[in-house]
Amino acid sequence: GDSVTQMEGPVTLSEEAFLTINCTYTATGYPSPFWYVQYPGEGLQLLLKATKADDKGSNKGFEATYRKETTSFHLEKGSVQVSDSAVYFCALRSRDDKIIFGKGTRLHILP
Amino acid sequence: KAGVTQTPRYLIKTRGQQVTLSCSPISGHRSVSWYQQTPGQGLQFLFEYFSETQRNKGNFPGRFSGRQFSNSRSEMNVSTLELGDSALYLCASSLTSGGNTGELFFGEGSRLTVL
Repeated sequence: GDSVTQMEGPVTLSEEAFLTINCTYTATGYPSPFWYVQYPGEGLQLLLKATKADDKGSNKGFEATYRKETTSFHLEKGSVQVSDSAVYFCALRSRDDKIIFGKGTRLHILP
Repeated sequence: KAGVTQTPRYLIKTRGQQVTLSCSPISGHRSVSWYQQTPGQGLQFLFEYFSETQRNKGNFPGRFSGRQFSNSRSEMNVSTLELGDSALYLCASSLTSGGNTGELFFGEGSRLTVL
């Protein structure tokens, strides 16, 4: 079945560092990828999404480009802040319309 | 507008008992999905209900069941609880069937501990 693989955490960075969280997927058809974020004490919320190949989703300084040829949707941010500390989940809409999530990557940003 | 509300937030049960969790979606949302979140497995899809019908189901045993009412509120039930059922159970609502847009609105979850 369809699956999502994202880099293991935790990831610890200093403030203003560059962030990349890798995400690749295995899916049939043409899945739509997403990134969700879970801040401490809060529910998951959609961070960004892409709907077609080479689409770039962006929000709050985060970006991710849907690369169909490498089945990837890596999350990047040029300069992270302490407030970005959270758990990040890569997800996709599978062929049978389920939203499938990766296991999550915990990000710690040090001041 | 009010977000997704899940009750209870925390509960402790013993093996063999059953539990019912409740989810009230955002007003106007007709789809409710349930996920189990554990440290080792991440979020695993349980099922989705849309307009009172189960639209999709994950790979969980029959002990896990759910339903949706005419006001879109949903409940999930776990019978004959096992230690491995300890997890955070998340409910998510969406305007249409979640798979169509991918945008799910999550509650804060119900944390179940099985002793």
